[in-house]
Amino acid sequence: TQLLEQSPQFLSIQEGENLTVYCNSSSVFSSLQWYRQEPGEGPVLLVTVVTGGEVKKLKRLTFQFGDARKDSSLHITAAQPGDTGLYLCAGAGGGTYKYIFGTGTRLKVLA
Amino acid sequence: EADIYQTPRYLVIGTGKKITLECSQTMGHDKMYWYQQDPGMELHLIHYSYGVNSTEKGDLSSESTVSRIRTEHFPLTLESARPSHTSQYLCASSENFGFNEQFFGPGTRLTVL
Repeated sequence: TQLLEQSPQFLSIQEGENLTVYCNSSSVFSSLQWYRQEPGEGPVLLVTVVTGGEVKKLKRLTFQFGDARKDSSLHITAAQPGDTGLYLCAGAGGGTYKYIFGTGTRLKVLA
Repeated sequence: EADIYQTPRYLVIGTGKKITLECSQTMGHDKMYWYQQDPGMELHLIHYSYGVNSTEKGDLSSESTVSRIRTEHFPLTLESARPSHTSQYLCASSENFGFNEQFFGPGTRLTVL
């Protein structure tokens, strides 16, 4: 069974601080996606990474795909209250036709 | 903005009732999915579909059933609801597996009393 473990599970920080969320697996994925979900809504895609070692930047968010395509990280610089939400990674491929979602990281940024 | 819709948004029903959760998308996507999610927790895939007349069970065992008679419509049915079915149900679609974005509906929050 493929699993994606995210850490930390919960994170509460002050506005302006930096943070990193990790997504780890023992399985190889052909691509990995990061989603952000707000309460009462469905997840919304932030980024897709497909190449081992790939780094993508989206304003204050930096995403990295591990060289072996088994892990990924999301780094947020100077967090803002608007970044508050549930962050989910999702792996695709690896011999299946399904997306495997990570365990989630709940982020709260305090003003 | 994603063109994927779910109704109802909220549903409170008694044990033993039959319910159908509706999901429709207007993007022409072949791949559709149903996930179950407890508040603030990970998503568990319960059903997916490659296209019309194709449905598969996901990783999480579910007593629900699905059908895919039309590309745009992927309803989920519970024949006899129980309190253990209380959860949020999210529908999603994508153009293809793997590299393409999954577009999610807003979800249906189901409470079974």
